Amino acid sequence: EAGVTQFPSHSVIEKGQTVTLRCDPISGHDNLYWYRRVMGKEIKFLLHFVKESKQDESGMPNNRFLAERTGGTYSTLKVQPAELEDSGVYFCASSQGLSGTGGMNFGPGTRLTVL
Amino acid sequence: GDSVTQMEGPVTLSEEAFLTINCTYTATGYPSLFWYVQYPGEGLQLLLKATKADDKGSNKGFEATYRKETTSFHLEKGSVQVSDSAVYFCALYPSGYSTLTFGKGTMLLVSP
Repeated sequence: EAGVTQFPSHSVIEKGQTVTLRCDPISGHDNLYWYRRVMGKEIKFLLHFVKESKQDESGMPNNRFLAERTGGTYSTLKVQPAELEDSGVYFCASSQGLSGTGGMNFGPGTRLTVL
Repeated sequence: GDSVTQMEGPVTLSEEAFLTINCTYTATGYPSLFWYVQYPGEGLQLLLKATKADDKGSNKGFEATYRKETTSFHLEKGSVQVSDSAVYFCALYPSGYSTLTFGKGTMLLVSP
């Protein structure tokens, strides 16, 4: 089966611009997660979708971040306007059940650089 | 809150050397513990896991034992290869609904 895919792989934008990241989960996976790793720090949870509904968005840093999952398939994460501290690698993951069993499949990540 | 602490990297080893990457955690209850690996240009992959105290997870020659008394889950491999060069992340999943909590990652560089 195809794995989790993310687009783009890299994005370089200037402060104040808008960027949209996309994640395509494994087909049939109801659970979709967004995580972020700022350079040299932990991978931090951002939010969790179950189908098209936001189950948990407690990790979203502020209202400049907007995540959607229309139709319960792919998801987008928009950052508007981007700030320097938003730079990092954004990972998407999907699973059929919850992640406690370690069944989470991660994508390769999108590296975002805000100048 | 829950947290994971892993040793700082990079860890630089010669091929066939013994590897240990330390990981300790803080969590309430009885979390499940994981090691994930990220090879260059690829996504995070689950390397091994342990779901209760004294369990040993193993895969690809790597192993880690869930030590509740020391709240540790150290990753070991007896003889590393160049192909093991990657970033390794220790993570926990608390009991009940939650999400994965990761450590900062440890880069391993293995030279021939």
